[in-house]
Amino acid sequence: GNSVTQMEGPVTLSEEAFLTINCTYTATGYPSLFWYVQYPGEGLQLLLKATKADDKGSNKGFEATYRKETTSFHLEKGSVQVSDSAVYFCALSVGGKLTFGQGTILTVHP
Amino acid sequence: DTGVSQNPRHKITKRGQNVTFRCDPISEHNRLYWYRQTLGQGPEFLTYFQNEAQLEKSRLLSDRFSAERPKGSFSTLEIQRTEQGDSAMYLCASLTGVLGDTQYFGPGTRLTVL
Repeated sequence: GNSVTQMEGPVTLSEEAFLTINCTYTATGYPSLFWYVQYPGEGLQLLLKATKADDKGSNKGFEATYRKETTSFHLEKGSVQVSDSAVYFCALSVGGKLTFGQGTILTVHP
Repeated sequence: DTGVSQNPRHKITKRGQNVTFRCDPISEHNRLYWYRQTLGQGPEFLTYFQNEAQLEKSRLLSDRFSAERPKGSFSTLEIQRTEQGDSAMYLCASLTGVLGDTQYFGPGTRLTVL
């Protein structure tokens, strides 16, 4: 079956620090890969996506590259802000249905 | 584009009661998905519709759960004889069905079963 594994959280960083959240996946077929973000009290929002190997998704300073050889889609940001504090979910889609990781809580302190 | 809407946003019920949730997808989206999210976990797939046809149901969806999408527009999720283990956030998402397209999520309905 399909599955997504995210690095254990929570992650606590100071403002302007570098962020990496690891994500690896197992899938049958050729999945599309996504990062969704959930801010406190809000619903899930798409952060970025990649639909084929070697694609790089990017948005709001966040980036992730679809690595087929390592079955990974790690999320990175060069300089985090307090406003980035949220829960981040890695997900894959095969045929439209999403399979999510367990989520990583990120807290950024001033 | 008014986004995906869900009602109610919160529902508190007593064990054994029936509850029904509604999801209104983005109007041009023909696929609609239901997920369940428990505290500290990622959303888990429950079921999905292509237009009015329910094409897949998860093993998580017991016989107490039923979903409909009449006329391929809004969808309802009903839980009969609720149990405390049903307490969760129920999420609805829609997409156009184009390969690689993005699912857009509603704000969810938080169910608490006392």
